[in-house]
Amino acid sequence: KAGVTQTPRYLIKTRGQQVTLSCSPISGHRSVSWYQQTPGQGLQFLFEYFSETQRNKGNFPGRFSGRQFSNSRSEMNVSTLELGDSALYLCASSPPGGLADHNEQFFGPGTRLTVL
Amino acid sequence: AQSVTQLGSHVSVSEGALVLLRCNYSSSVPPYLFWYVQYPNQGLQLLLKYTSAATLVKGINGFEAEFKKSETSFHLTKPSAHMSDAAEYFCAVKAGTASKLTFGTGTRLQVTL
Repeated sequence: KAGVTQTPRYLIKTRGQQVTLSCSPISGHRSVSWYQQTPGQGLQFLFEYFSETQRNKGNFPGRFSGRQFSNSRSEMNVSTLELGDSALYLCASSPPGGLADHNEQFFGPGTRLTVL
Repeated sequence: AQSVTQLGSHVSVSEGALVLLRCNYSSSVPPYLFWYVQYPNQGLQLLLKYTSAATLVKGINGFEAEFKKSETSFHLTKPSAHMSDAAEYFCAVKAGTASKLTFGTGTRLQVTL
């Protein structure tokens, strides 16, 4: 099975612009989560989507949004970029199952966003 | 709410020496605990997970971790370090049915000759 894929891998934007990142989960996985990784704040949960619905949300401003499509692919969008949004954005997918609360998350390689 | 504390942001060991990376957790409900490894410019790879089936968990690459409820700990160990183990290691906790993982701040492992 192919792993979680994220596109693009690298992105450079300027302040005020908006950006869209894409994530394709492992085939058969319906849950997709997004995380932001920065040297200062570490790994922080952004949101999770399951069956096209946002199921959980972290503590990020409304400039950060996401969506999930019927094929489980997900996108996240950041509007009005700030310098502090420079980070590695990681997407993770989880397999379905009756005991989903302990299913591990499989991470993609991330998209490194640089805001100038 | 849950949280994770990783003691030591940097750990250096000699090749062949014991690796011990510390993780303490806090959770209001029975936790599920994970150790992930991250190599430079890559995503996170799962090393092992604790899901209440057994307190001693064996993972990939010779790593293992022991869940100790009384100490709220889930330390990661490997008997003999290899140069290829040099990476950043993250402990994470999940509680309840939500998929959200709460990560520690990470420990960078350096392996020297």
